[in-house]
Amino acid sequence: DAKTTQPNSMESNEEEPVHLPCNHSTISGTDYIHWYRQLPSQGPEYVIHGLTSNVNNRMASLAIAEDRKSSTLILHRATLRDAAVYYCIFYHNNDMRFGAGTRLTVKP
Amino acid sequence: DVKVTQSSRYLVKRTGEKVFLECVQDMDHENMFWYRQDPGLGLRLIYFSYDVKMKEKGDIPEGYSVSREKKERFSLILESASTNQTSMYLCASSLLRQGNPNSPLHFGNGTRLTVT
Repeated sequence: DAKTTQPNSMESNEEEPVHLPCNHSTISGTDYIHWYRQLPSQGPEYVIHGLTSNVNNRMASLAIAEDRKSSTLILHRATLRDAAVYYCIFYHNNDMRFGAGTRLTVKP
Repeated sequence: DVKVTQSSRYLVKRTGEKVFLECVQDMDHENMFWYRQDPGLGLRLIYFSYDVKMKEKGDIPEGYSVSREKKERFSLILESASTNQTSMYLCASSLLRQGNPNSPLHFGNGTRLTVT
């Protein structure tokens, strides 16, 4: 069973920030949180990952709650190319299980 | 860049056929994974392998087997294809051992299998 919970869908306007939430209440202290996204007709691609501290890269930011039971992927300025399904997963040993993800729609 | 190549983009097979889905990665990754993706269900893990000749069951291994004879190649086998195995199959790899969770998964672009 998937170990993360995400909303099925979200909408955003172009050039506005987007906050994609994820709950992972069963995460253990050493499990990293990873985010991936899947564009139409492609395999998923890596976005960002973290353990405890907030993380930034060129694609997005990851905010991790202090108790680590939830996290938020932040796209600072959504573009039409960010329309995708976003998956939040956590890595336990060598096992990466995905949930259904959040389908992000970006409106021009 | 890491490349994960799946041998076929589209495949049509008949019920009862033995089907091989091949996946090759070019970055010497230890871990390889097979997922299937169905509408409304997201990605579901079928099998994974963390070393040559090693395999672990994922969430839905029934009806599938795998082979990892070489580090770069991970094959998914449908011994007797059935219509409920019609799906998108995704292979992934990662440079990862236990205790080193920093390496992301790299996915191929998938094989859309139709079983008639």
